[in-house]
Amino acid sequence: GAVVSQHPSWVICKSGTSVKIECRSLDFQATTMFWYRQFPKQSLMLMATSNEGSKATYEQGVEKDKFLINHASLTLSTLTVTSAHPEDSSFYICSARDEGRNYGYTFGSGTRLTVV
Amino acid sequence: AQSVTQLDSQVPVFEEAPVELRCNYSSSVSVYLFWYVQYPNQGLQLLLKYLSGSTLVKGINGFEAEFNKSQTSFHLRKPSVHISDTAEYFCAVSPPTGFQKLVFGTGTRLLVSP
Repeated sequence: GAVVSQHPSWVICKSGTSVKIECRSLDFQATTMFWYRQFPKQSLMLMATSNEGSKATYEQGVEKDKFLINHASLTLSTLTVTSAHPEDSSFYICSARDEGRNYGYTFGSGTRLTVV
Repeated sequence: AQSVTQLDSQVPVFEEAPVELRCNYSSSVSVYLFWYVQYPNQGLQLLLKYLSGSTLVKGINGFEAEFNKSQTSFHLRKPSVHISDTAEYFCAVSPPTGFQKLVFGTGTRLLVSP
């Protein structure tokens, strides 16, 4: 139970293009999802908190116009990296919390983004 | 605000030996505590969590952790490790109420060799 599906698992895109990453809660409803970025051999850095039906809350230093987050339903949040540049290359991970399962945070399998 | 410290960036250990990965936290309020494991190019998998009750928490894959409020610690232990336990381990905390974000430590890489 409490499965979070994240797609794609990896993507390569050209500099200047946009990339969309999807995060779905498969067997529970998630009013809140979290998006993290992870640099090689480092910890997870929270980018933003995605709230269903409202605007995302971005962490300090994260460009909201570059990292567009949409949480249109209780089971889907998307992160769009707009006008991607090589420095945006990273591992992006989403997470959702299932209130019904005793305060568990479930993570997606991550997306490896490479901008060339 | 909460913070998490994992002092050991890397812990080498031989197969079948015991291991302890250290985690200390700082918070002005009570917290929930978590340990996650990450294998290469994958997301995070929950090993165990402490919400309340017994301070000794047992998780998956033979891991356990003990919550020590006076020392603000939540160290992870396993009596006998396997090669397959080689991974990155993250300690995390969260306030107990609301949809609060997890605050992660910097991670500890466990390297198990034969």
